[in-house]
Amino acid sequence: EDQVTQSPEALRLQEGESSSLNCSYTVSGLRGLFWYRQDPGKGPEFLFTLYSAGEEKEKERLKATLTKKESFLHITAPKPEDSATYLCAVARITSGTYKYIFGTGTRLKVLA
Amino acid sequence: DAGVIQSPRHEVTEMGQEVTLRCKPISGHNSLFWYRQTMMRGLELLIYFNNNVPIDDSGMPEDRFSAKMPNASFSTLKIQPSEPRDSAVYFCASSLGWGRENTEAFFGQGTRLTVV
Repeated sequence: EDQVTQSPEALRLQEGESSSLNCSYTVSGLRGLFWYRQDPGKGPEFLFTLYSAGEEKEKERLKATLTKKESFLHITAPKPEDSATYLCAVARITSGTYKYIFGTGTRLKVLA
Repeated sequence: DAGVIQSPRHEVTEMGQEVTLRCKPISGHNSLFWYRQTMMRGLELLIYFNNNVPIDDSGMPEDRFSAKMPNASFSTLKIQPSEPRDSAVYFCASSLGWGRENTEAFFGQGTRLTVV
């Protein structure tokens, strides 16, 4: 059964304190692993797509990496505006199209 | 493109009433998804369409829920009759649905449903 597990559920960091969020997955026929950011009262906002083990993507203070079983979202020197819930999702092919399965997210709070 | 557009943004209704949520996907996207988000269960996939055809509705919780996609630019999710446990935020998302790149899904702002 397809499964996506994120840890930790919640994380509090001081401004400038780097850390990593984890997303472990089991899925048959992975067609992509995605990271989203969700602010309160808004829809998930797309950040990155990773397609194969060893791939890395960067955007400002965020860097996403992928292995065969998990992905990490590294946050370097975070700022209070990085506070949000970060969601991980995987996609696989079903009936000729992509199906997306989401984890429950990591709630990140960065303190000034 | 304006992105995925959902309406209404907020809906408060009484138990037993019919509720209809609406979604306009991104132009050119072939796949459309309806999700429900709660604190307890996170984002749950309810149903998704490819080229206007329902592919998988196994996530629809009960027969009270139904979804349609009459054309490539419009979809509805209907709950009839509504119950307090249906209170949640409902998201619509769309994606290209094919190809080896640009496979990500884009979300609307959601509809916050409260059933009293």
